Amino acid sequence: DIQMTQSPSTLSASVGDRVTITCRASQSISSWLAWYQQKPGKAPKLLIYKASSLESGVPSRFSGSGSGTEFTLTISSLQPDDFATYYCQQYNSYFVTFGPGTKVDIK
Amino acid sequence: QVQLVQSGAEVKKPGASVKVSCKASGYTFTSYGISWVRQAPGQGLEWMGWISAYNGNTNYAQKLQGRVTMTTDTSTSTAYMELRSLRSDDTAVYYCARGRDYPDYWGQGTLVTVSS
Repeated sequence: DIQMTQSPSTLSASVGDRVTITCRASQSISSWLAWYQQKPGKAPKLLIYKASSLESGVPSRFSGSGSGTEFTLTISSLQPDDFATYYCQQYNSYFVTFGPGTKVDIK
Repeated sequence: QVQLVQSGAEVKKPGASVKVSCKASGYTFTSYGISWVRQAPGQGLEWMGWISAYNGNTNYAQKLQGRVTMTTDTSTSTAYMELRSLRSDDTAVYYCARGRDYPDYWGQGTLVTVSS
């Protein structure tokens, strides 16, 4: 299976901050990467697919970039609703895998 | 609007089986597959597998091969996930979601607790 790692595991930030989360794959996955946001007790929400395509209805402050083995999710100006855990997920291989998650909390 | 509504919480003993349902509405059921993802308490997301609602083809995570079966009933637009030989580390919230590559709509989750 393709292994996914994320850094940092926890990120403390303030409203208005620019936030960047990194996701790395154990082998090249081209651009077959998605990002999800999850809040406690809720199902994950799709934010980004194909590394940089914004899902319909997702605010434009979210953006994704990267290809191959290294990817980033950027929140340009953190809003109160953005405090959550973020997961990357690869779908390049027959077996889909998720990263371990990055929790964004209030500084 | 697209909705996936899952069955209610379950409590099972070790060694038992559980079958979770996921009823879809608001779209053509056979146009998308259904993925199943689980999340143990306080842990991350774990992909369990996927089933094509068009032809029933499946693709299961290697660690669950032999214990999991995913099926669909196109007459009721419902997907099912059965997990057998339950262990305590199968305790988790189980989610169904529309699509395989990047699921876009998710069910509300079903808590399955395995305890003696």
